Amino acid sequence: DAGVIQSPRHEVTEMGQEVTLRCKPISGHNSLFWYRQTMMRGLELLIYFNNNVPIDDSGMPEDRFSAKMPNASFSTLKIQPSEPRDSAVYFCASSLAPGGSETQYFGPGTRLLVL
Amino acid sequence: AQSVTQPDIHITVSEGASLELRCNYSYGATPYLFWYVQSPGQGLQLLLKYFSGDTLVQGIKGFEAEFKRSQSSFNLRKPSVHWSDAAEYFCAVSNDYKLSFGAGTTVTVRA
Repeated sequence: DAGVIQSPRHEVTEMGQEVTLRCKPISGHNSLFWYRQTMMRGLELLIYFNNNVPIDDSGMPEDRFSAKMPNASFSTLKIQPSEPRDSAVYFCASSLAPGGSETQYFGPGTRLLVL
Repeated sequence: AQSVTQPDIHITVSEGASLELRCNYSYGATPYLFWYVQSPGQGLQLLLKYFSGDTLVQGIKGFEAEFKRSQSSFNLRKPSVHWSDAAEYFCAVSNDYKLSFGAGTTVTVRA
């Protein structure tokens, strides 16, 4: 199995630009998560999808952030417009099903730098 | 609300020595607990998890963890550390679908 695939692995952009991060979950997994990792705040859940439907987006920091999951094998996280404080590592994770005991499998992350 | 505390920000250990990483959790019911490892520039990999049964859990790469309800702890151990164990380790507690992570412990292995 290829695992969770994220692209791009690195992104450098200028303030005000639109940034789109992409994720392909493990085939057959019904739950998908977007996390952000920063030195100040650690790992935070941004949004959770189950069966392609957003269930919990309470972690999305503001309206500049949006996420979609048009089908079971693809999700995007978009930041528009980007700001320097959005610089972080963004992880996508997937699990077979919802539930506290389910293992979440993480992708390699996208390192975003906003200048 | 659930939360996790990892008291040690950084630990240095000699290769071949034992390692113990501390984790304390706060959660009202029986917790689902996880340890993940993150190597530099990589994603998080699951080492082990606990959700019921035997309180001593075996994981990958020779790691084990012990759940102690009376101490609200889930400490990670390895009897003999290898240089490749240098990484950041995260303890996490799950409520339904939401993983709450500790701040992480960075492990440095010296020769």
